[in-house]
Amino acid sequence: DADVTQTPRNRITKTGKRIMLECSQTKGHDRMYWYRQDPGLGLRLIYYSFDVKDINKGEISDGYSVSRQAQAKFSLSLESAIPNQTALYFCATSGFRGTTDTQYFGPGTRLTVL
Amino acid sequence: GDSVTQMEGPVTLSEEAFLTINCTYTATGYPSLFWYVQYPGEGLQLLLKATKADDKGSNKGFEATYRKETTSFHLEKGSVQVSDSAVYFCALKGAQKLVFGQGTRLTINP
Repeated sequence: DADVTQTPRNRITKTGKRIMLECSQTKGHDRMYWYRQDPGLGLRLIYYSFDVKDINKGEISDGYSVSRQAQAKFSLSLESAIPNQTALYFCATSGFRGTTDTQYFGPGTRLTVL
Repeated sequence: GDSVTQMEGPVTLSEEAFLTINCTYTATGYPSLFWYVQYPGEGLQLLLKATKADDKGSNKGFEATYRKETTSFHLEKGSVQVSDSAVYFCALKGAQKLVFGQGTRLTINP
């Protein structure tokens, strides 16, 4: 089984709808991240969490919110989706103490907002 | 702030050709450096990393050397295969998080 899973893998929705993307991990990592990928722009960080009680904004957090329900679960919400949020979304995790460098990515969620 | 610049793609090579993908960075201090690879339809996977100056990361025939003097971490492979076709991302570990380059799409023709 995959260590980092994302649901759904694909989603098509309409402008103004509320959308939740979910991420679960079995790696036992403390740190979790949400990125979006757009062609030619690489990955940009939306939010990150270093433990259940720690949530931080990334470089493009406007229009998004997150919830860290448990150490293993980190959800990303779009309260009112708009077309320029159409992108590929990735969840990632990393360890703790001396092993925080390497991030492990989920397979991604392709979101289309019409 | 921290930033990573990669050579622009797409890059198309023939099988068994030599590969170089350039990566330079701007950062405070001496960050860890990474190359990630994204195969079609998949998430990113760590390819290799280096944590200090002059370190060489290597994996699957790919290599990259951490060059502090030139702030570079170029990816090289001596003989590429069709299965190496993917998007490659250079990244650095800043104070709290990874900063990625824009990615380079590599296509290897048989």
